[in-house]
Amino acid sequence: QSALTQPASVSGSPGQSITISCTGTSSDVGGYNYVSWYRQYPGTAPKLMIYEVSSRPSGVSNRFSGSKSGNTASLTISGLQAEDEADYYCSSYTSSSTWVFGGGTKLTVL
Amino acid sequence: EVHLVQSGAEVRKPGATVKISCKVSGYTFTDYYIHWVQQAPGKGLEWMGLVDPEDGDTIYAEKFRGRISVTADTSTDTAYMELSRLRSDDTALYYCATEGGTYPLYYWGLGTLVTVSS
Repeated sequence: QSALTQPASVSGSPGQSITISCTGTSSDVGGYNYVSWYRQYPGTAPKLMIYEVSSRPSGVSNRFSGSKSGNTASLTISGLQAEDEADYYCSSYTSSSTWVFGGGTKLTVL
Repeated sequence: EVHLVQSGAEVRKPGATVKISCKVSGYTFTDYYIHWVQQAPGKGLEWMGLVDPEDGDTIYAEKFRGRISVTADTSTDTAYMELSRLRSDDTALYYCATEGGTYPLYYWGLGTLVTVSS
């Protein structure tokens, strides 16, 4: 099972919106609505930000939103803030009943 | 409040085996799967496998199949991940994580650092 494909880095200025893509196949992202997104600050454990493509866990800001089209899922962060600077990972359930992560995207807030 | 408390850092030689523990509290252990995730230094997350504490069923990522064993002890609410035939590229932080109702991988341990070096 190959890792899902994410851009290595994205950047944006405070207040702007950015989108991180996550491309898989019909055996993972495209085949199931079990795509999640995690935020990870250096030296800390990941935190769930989006699950089931577009749902937000309780307490997660509505500036975070998710979507999917075909084999590509996307995370959009609107009203970018300095605290959003982190690594972001997508994850998907697969046809092998396993889970797979993306390679991760480093978000820089300019 | 849910807590996942992992065992301390380990150092092993190449070819050896390591076993990491993850003790959970704050919820019924058998309600949710326990997942294990590897993160090499400066690298991304890699899903390794999971155990269903209810019946001990396991699923492993193809990359680790044959070297990994994940178990759950319902008498102590503790999950274990054993990785054998260690190589230098197994040097990593290993996280246990569990679901939170409908939330996947919602609760995480702090990670256990495993260093493989001769």
